[in-house]
Amino acid sequence: SQTIHQWPATLVQPVGSPLSLECTVEGTSNPNLYWYRQAAGRGLQLLFYSVGIGQISSEVPQNLSASRPQDRQFILSSKKLLLSDSGFYLCAWSSIRTSGRAPDTQYFGPGTRLTVL
Amino acid sequence: SQQGEEDPQALSIQEGENATMNCSYKTSINNLQWYRQNSGRGLVHLILIRSNEREKHSGRLRVTLDTSKKSSSLLITASRAADTASYFCATDEVYGGSQGNLIFGKGTKLSVKP
Repeated sequence: SQTIHQWPATLVQPVGSPLSLECTVEGTSNPNLYWYRQAAGRGLQLLFYSVGIGQISSEVPQNLSASRPQDRQFILSSKKLLLSDSGFYLCAWSSIRTSGRAPDTQYFGPGTRLTVL
Repeated sequence: SQQGEEDPQALSIQEGENATMNCSYKTSINNLQWYRQNSGRGLVHLILIRSNEREKHSGRLRVTLDTSKKSSSLLITASRAADTASYFCATDEVYGGSQGNLIFGKGTKLSVKP
């Protein structure tokens, strides 16, 4: 069966410090991978998605970047954190989608709670 | 861009009652999904309904889809305290056959009191 891991679970960082959040998926190959941010009491905002190694698409301009160095590894980074980067970060995967086919079910990791002080 | 919009934003009921949550969206869709999120946790997929389906059941869950009104509802029957969570609908963007990722609403926070 497939599992998705995220770490760390919680993180408190000072403004201006770097960030690296990691997400790994097991039990599947060539997944689509996603990074979302959820502000308190709000819905999910898609930050990045990836359909393959080295292929990253950004949905919103921001202070963050993403990389996919391996098929089942997705990393969210920042060189200098801002207060507004605080939030709950969720990684998700879905089966690779054939062009023109509707999005599949997404499977979410447990999330990382980031507080920037 | 905001696609699904759930209402109500918050719902408080007694155990054993039914809970109904609604979702409205703006553009054409291929499918609509409902997810559940326990406080401080990741989202869990509940059910997917395709645009050519009108109703779908899964255990105590019943989902309806009305594409003419661009709306969906999630009904949880005989609710339990363990159903306490936030519920999100998610739809795909359809822009001339482009890839289309899921767009999530802001969610309905359901509280079931024992």
